Amino acid sequence: QVQLVQSGAEVKKPGASVKVSCKASGYTFTSYVMHWVRQAPGQRLEWMGWINAGNGNTKYSEKFQGRVTITRDTSASTVYMEVSSLGSEDTAVYYCARYSSSWYFEYWGQGTLVTVSS
Amino acid sequence: QSALTQPASVSGSPGQSITISCTGSSSDVGSYNLVSWYQQHPGKAPKLMIYEGSKRPSGVSNRFSGSKSGNTASLTISGLQAEDEADYYCCSYAGSTTLVFGGGTKLTVL
Repeated sequence: QVQLVQSGAEVKKPGASVKVSCKASGYTFTSYVMHWVRQAPGQRLEWMGWINAGNGNTKYSEKFQGRVTITRDTSASTVYMEVSSLGSEDTAVYYCARYSSSWYFEYWGQGTLVTVSS
Repeated sequence: QSALTQPASVSGSPGQSITISCTGSSSDVGSYNLVSWYQQHPGKAPKLMIYEGSKRPSGVSNRFSGSKSGNTASLTISGLQAEDEADYYCCSYAGSTTLVFGGGTKLTVL
């Protein structure tokens, strides 16, 4: 069965960076695109971007372009999402979600809470 | 890219039907039949309820249905049950391999 297991909660200071991982299992890792979605406390879901796990191509939401980097390690079946120059507004739960052919997400990670606080 | 517009909250009694709207534009909802709907209980990851506007994944109750008219997509839940109480989000393909989510709707089962 498909499983997406994310790394644990993080606490970071303003201006720092954070890197969240998402380990996939139960399917051929390089055959799918992985997306990242975040949700600030009490707020809506927000699409961040995606990576093609096969060829490494990426696409980012305009809001996050230049501050978010999504990478993958095919040997570890793991996707990473790094946010730099953290501010309090980046406090959120970050989810990885596996893309399905018609732009929907059937599988989600459990979420990783990132707290930005001085 | 602006969020899709959803009502902040809807409510209904057990057994009733409710509809949640999701209004976008001709750049997203209106141009593609690629709207999905997600149910999210507190502290949990979202769960796919509808994809491609009106299709249900295996295991999702047929009480959930989706439709679209122009720039507005809708999610209808019939025969409301207590466990349907949750937040619901629409999501649409927005062209150029990008996506946009709605603002979310809190469903209260009275």
